[in-house]
Amino acid sequence: AQKITQTQPGMFVQEKEAVTLDCTYDTSDPSYGLFWYKQPSSGEMIFLIYQGSYDQQNATEGRYSLNFQKARKSANLVISASQLGDSAMYFCAMIITQGGSEKLVFGKGTKLTVNP
Amino acid sequence: GAGVSQTPSNKVTEKGKYVELRCDPISGHTALYWYRQSLGQGPEFLIYFQGTGAADDSGLPNDRFFAVRPEGSVSTLKIQRTERGDSAVYLCASSPGPHQQKNTQYFGPGTRLTVL
Repeated sequence: AQKITQTQPGMFVQEKEAVTLDCTYDTSDPSYGLFWYKQPSSGEMIFLIYQGSYDQQNATEGRYSLNFQKARKSANLVISASQLGDSAMYFCAMIITQGGSEKLVFGKGTKLTVNP
Repeated sequence: GAGVSQTPSNKVTEKGKYVELRCDPISGHTALYWYRQSLGQGPEFLIYFQGTGAADDSGLPNDRFFAVRPEGSVSTLKIQRTERGDSAVYLCASSPGPHQQKNTQYFGPGTRLTVL
């Protein structure tokens, strides 16, 4: 069964430093997509970055980059130059497209706190 | 705004009552999804609509839950005979359409349901 594992319940980082949030996944499907979402205390899920299983390069979006290691089934999110506004929950998710469905399976999330 | 909207933002009801939660997707998005997020957890899939039809309702927990999307735009999630265990944040998302690997789902702000 497809599964996302985020092993860090909480992470702390100093403002302006970089931080890596871990995500491992399990799937037997050769074609899949991985997403990272940010959820501030307001509750809305904000899309950050996407990595396709066949993408040749690691995805980048501004200060966000994805360290995709296919053989290890990991898709870690790297946030560079952390800002106070980056404090939030971060969720890794995988899209499941079997049987005509299109649904996301989420991990339990990592709470990131950026300290001034 | 052009994002996904959900109403109401908060709903408090009594055990046994009927509730309706509404989702207005991004204009032009043919796919719509409902998720449920319990405290301290990642969102869990409930149902996926492609157009007017439910393409995957495998996540609905039981027959007290039902969702419709009669005109392929707005969707309503309906919960009958609510139970205290139904208390959660109900998230709606929409995406441009199926069968695209990067079919990013964009989320609304959620409806926080509290069953007393």
